[in-house]
Amino acid sequence: GQNIDQPTEMTATEGAIVQINCTYQTSGFNGLFWYQQHAGEAPTFLSYNVLDGLEEKGRFSSFLSRSKGYSYLLLKELQMKDSASYLCAVRTEISGGYNKLIFGAGTRLAVHP
Amino acid sequence: IAGITQAPTSQILAAGRRMTLRCTQDMRHNAMYWYRQDLGLGLRLIHYSNTAGTTGKGEVPDGYSVSRANTDDFPLTLASAVPSQTSVYFCASRETGGLAYGYTFGSGTRLTVV
Repeated sequence: GQNIDQPTEMTATEGAIVQINCTYQTSGFNGLFWYQQHAGEAPTFLSYNVLDGLEEKGRFSSFLSRSKGYSYLLLKELQMKDSASYLCAVRTEISGGYNKLIFGAGTRLAVHP
Repeated sequence: IAGITQAPTSQILAAGRRMTLRCTQDMRHNAMYWYRQDLGLGLRLIHYSNTAGTTGKGEVPDGYSVSRANTDDFPLTLASAVPSQTSVYFCASRETGGLAYGYTFGSGTRLTVV
């Protein structure tokens, strides 16, 4: 089966650090993505991990442990504009080298002054 | 056009009516996808197409059909709409064989079936 779990909601204070966790159990794994989605808008790409370890990209970092089926997204120096939903997605193979993304339900992050 | 264009932006549809959601991309991406997004359930794959002329079923294909006559267009058709198809629909594309993070999403179509 395919299962991707992440917290439904989180709150944090402007300027702080927040970690959003994601655990997954999928039939096949070909990379893990994090997307940001503001209300009423399309998801936009944040980060990608295929090997274990930490990927840093400005204020955002993402970590992956394939053996544990676990990832987290770390947001530093939070800004009000970071209030959004954060989607964890696992890429799995369909067939013939093609693939698809399976999404978690998303984590709604509210940043307060 | 830059990226993916979806139309209409929103629609209210009477149950039982037929509706086609349009998706056009100008990036020459081979793979295209249709997702629906519902509160608490996240994005779920409806149908996909790896290349022009081929399509496949995703997680929730019932009640939907797609076609891929060319690289750019990937319309999604609801043959006879039902209220449970009320959702936000996103089209996405990806360049196959390229970088890992080539998924691009359209701005979505908000569909309400009454």
